[in-house]
Amino acid sequence: EVQLVESGGALVQPGGSLKLSCAASGFTFSDSAVHWVRQASGKGLEWVGRIRSKANNYATSFGASVNGRFTMSRDDSKKTAYLQMNSLQTEDTAVYYCTRMDNYWGQGTLVTVSS
Amino acid sequence: DVVLTQSPLSLPVTLGQPASISCRSSESLVYSDGNTYLNWFHQRPGQSPRRLIYKVSKRDSGVPDRFSGSGSGTDFTLEISSVEAEDVGVYFCMQYTHWPPFFGGGTKVEIK
Repeated sequence: EVQLVESGGALVQPGGSLKLSCAASGFTFSDSAVHWVRQASGKGLEWVGRIRSKANNYATSFGASVNGRFTMSRDDSKKTAYLQMNSLQTEDTAVYYCTRMDNYWGQGTLVTVSS
Repeated sequence: DVVLTQSPLSLPVTLGQPASISCRSSESLVYSDGNTYLNWFHQRPGQSPRRLIYKVSKRDSGVPDRFSGSGSGTDFTLEISSVEAEDVGVYFCMQYTHWPPFFGGGTKVEIK
């Protein structure tokens, strides 16, 4: 069974940093791109970014609102992807999902940026 | 960036009746390979999104056949032939023909 499980969400002050994890199982993680999508409370879905597989040089791409502040990495041996978030702003408050952008999404992890 | 506009924002429906959601793109979603990368997702209250339809009209595994997608170019539609109680929630279209991927604003389906 395919599973994606996010962790690492927390309350952080503006300007702070946080690293989210996405643990995968049930599929060949090393062959798959991983996307992060966020959703502010009561709002729509916003694509945050993506990291591709080793075969695609672990290429990353980000949405304009987070570009330059967020980075992604992955450890294929641990079947885990990471989202490093720096210079966090109140507007980054949201539930963060990792997904293959298909039928499989994690349950989400809540990031709250507030003083 | 390509923008997707969904309508209506809210859709009250009667159980057993059909429902239709529109998604319009600011640019054609036909990719250079001839495919159109337009997905539909459903998010039930308190749950993660789930993809229903990919490439305009292809249903994901396990998706009931009462759901269908259609359209071309810039205009797309998700139809539910006979709404059931479990269909409530928010429906989002999403394009990934053009980078970056972009989601429509969502349509909330509720039972009258």
